Amino acid sequence: GDSVTQMEGPVTLSEEAFLTINCTYTATGYPSLFWYVQYPGEGLQLLLKATKADDKGSNKGFEATYRKETTSFHLEKGSVQVSDSAVYFCALTRSNFGNEKLTFGTGTRLTIIP
Amino acid sequence: EAGVAQSPRYKIIEKRQSVAFWCNPISGHATLYWYQQILGQGPKLLIQFQNNGVVDDSQLPKDRFSAERLKGVDSTLKIQPAKLEDSAVYLCASSLAGTRNNEQFFGPGTRLTVL
Repeated sequence: GDSVTQMEGPVTLSEEAFLTINCTYTATGYPSLFWYVQYPGEGLQLLLKATKADDKGSNKGFEATYRKETTSFHLEKGSVQVSDSAVYFCALTRSNFGNEKLTFGTGTRLTIIP
Repeated sequence: EAGVAQSPRYKIIEKRQSVAFWCNPISGHATLYWYQQILGQGPKLLIQFQNNGVVDDSQLPKDRFSAERLKGVDSTLKIQPAKLEDSAVYLCASSLAGTRNNEQFFGPGTRLTVL
């Protein structure tokens, strides 16, 4: 079945550091890939997405590129801020007769220190 | 635009008791999802509705969990009787339709603790 493997956390960085959170997936066909973020006390929010190979999703300074050859969708940001502290989830969907359920990774907790 | 509403936000019960959660999706969203998020894990789909019909309930423990979506709008998820391992955050999400790549919008979740 489909699965998503995320970099183990928690991750602690200093402000303005470079961020990478690794994500790899297993799925048949051509899944769509997502990064969701959960800020403290809030619900899950879509951060960015990519729907086909070599697509780059971007939002709020975060980027991720859909790499089919390595089945990866790593999240990057060049200079993190304290406000980026949150839990980040990599996820995929695979169309199956209209079933668009999200398959999530386990999440990576990110803490940014001033 | 109002987001996905859920209630209650927190619930503490003893094992073998019953509990119900309520979800009101974004207006006009035909597809509604219930996910279970156990501490330290990613959310897992329990059930998906398209309007008031069930699309996928393959991961729903049907001996104790039930869900309905009356009139294709609000939805209720029930657990009867609860077990210790049901302690989790229950997330409701909605999307415009079950078409490829449509964004799912999540509610704040209900945190259930079973003692």
